[in-house]
Amino acid sequence: EVQLVESGGGLVQPGRSLRLSCAASGFIFDDYPIHWVRQAPGKGLEWVSGIRWNGGIIGYADSVRGRFTISRDNAKNSLYLQMSSLRVEDTAFYYCTKAISSSAPYYMDVWGKGTTVTVSS
Amino acid sequence: DIVLTQSPATLSLSPGERATLSCRASQSVSSYLAWYQQKPGQAPRLLVYDASSRAADTPARFSGSGSGTDFTLTISSLEPEDFAVYYCHQRRNWPPGTFGQGTKVEIK
Repeated sequence: EVQLVESGGGLVQPGRSLRLSCAASGFIFDDYPIHWVRQAPGKGLEWVSGIRWNGGIIGYADSVRGRFTISRDNAKNSLYLQMSSLRVEDTAFYYCTKAISSSAPYYMDVWGKGTTVTVSS
Repeated sequence: DIVLTQSPATLSLSPGERATLSCRASQSVSSYLAWYQQKPGQAPRLLVYDASSRAADTPARFSGSGSGTDFTLTISSLEPEDFAVYYCHQRRNWPPGTFGQGTKVEIK
């Protein structure tokens, strides 16, 4: 079964850091681009960042550029999101998502269940 | 950034009825548009990509159409499990690959 499992979310104070992880299974991890997408409480979806199979960065949303860093470890079938200088507006459910293919890296066909990040003093 | 505007915000229909959801882009996205379905408490699910290609496991009652700036997701006959929120998503201008604000399909 193709699966993505996020972890690392929690309650953090503004200005602090947090690292999210995503463990993949059931597919050849290093064949696919992987993304982070977030959803604030009661709101819509926002793409956060994506990374290609070889670690090439697809990009960051303007709202997180310079504060968040995406990375992956293909040997561990894992994706990471290092979040620094967190703001209240970063409060959201964070999903790890897999692209359909390396040739269609922007359509996301498998999603994890997500992890909650709450930024509050 | 390209802005995607979905309409209507809410669609109230009965099972068996036809649903037509619209997504309009602020500039052309060619055919680089996807539709996702999200049910309460669940992650989104890819339904359609490249405007009209159904994703694996997407039932045939879902069809996507359009190109340029105007797109439609049609559900030919609503099943009980289809009541959810639907998001369109463009990848023509990436990053950030913007999403629409969503259309909620609710039971009338």
